[in-house]
Amino acid sequence: GENVEQHPSTLSVQEGDSAVIKCTYSDSASNYFPWYKQELGKRPQLIIDIRSNVGEKKDQRIAVTLNKTAKHFSLHITETQPEDSAVYFCAASLISNFGNEKLTFGTGTRLTIIP
Amino acid sequence: EAQVTQNPRYLITVTGKKLTVTCSQNMNHEYMSWYRQDPGLGLRQIYYSMNVEVTDKGDVPEGYKVSRKEKRNFPLILESPSPNQTSLYFCASSLSTVGGLSPLHFGNGTRLTVT
Repeated sequence: GENVEQHPSTLSVQEGDSAVIKCTYSDSASNYFPWYKQELGKRPQLIIDIRSNVGEKKDQRIAVTLNKTAKHFSLHITETQPEDSAVYFCAASLISNFGNEKLTFGTGTRLTIIP
Repeated sequence: EAQVTQNPRYLITVTGKKLTVTCSQNMNHEYMSWYRQDPGLGLRQIYYSMNVEVTDKGDVPEGYKVSRKEKRNFPLILESPSPNQTSLYFCASSLSTVGGLSPLHFGNGTRLTVT
């Protein structure tokens, strides 16, 4: 099965600086890579995703890059703000031999923005 | 309003007393899944369902059961809960498009404590 590793587990950055969270995956057949943000006491919510036929995707201050050869993908947040403080999860989607799609999450990164 | 509804939000029970956590979605999604969230371990998949009457094990299925008799409902059953099942549980659903999962929509979570 798929294995997703996420680093770092905690990250503190000054407000206005950039934050980068990195994930690696094990199965080269994975083809969909979403990122979820979970604020304290709330549900995870999708913030950006990328498919394996694309190398980079941006949405305002958030960007995701994908390197299929190295099997890693990263989340980049620029001009960080206090409301960016949350736990971020990466994930990788794999279609099994039986045709089932399975999403595997990383262990999460707690991002703290220091005012 | 499009949403995933899980109940109850909080549950305290004793070892061995059967319980059910309900999950319902009103978006006509084919794919539904249960996750447990534990500190340092991220979101781990318990069971998932690609459609009605189709369920499959995730990464940590031991001690849990599910059913998918209707498209909108996907209850999680703990026949004989044990303290190691104390956790935060999330139900999620998605359209499950071909080529990769569409974004997951999460419920608000159920915090279960087994004493």
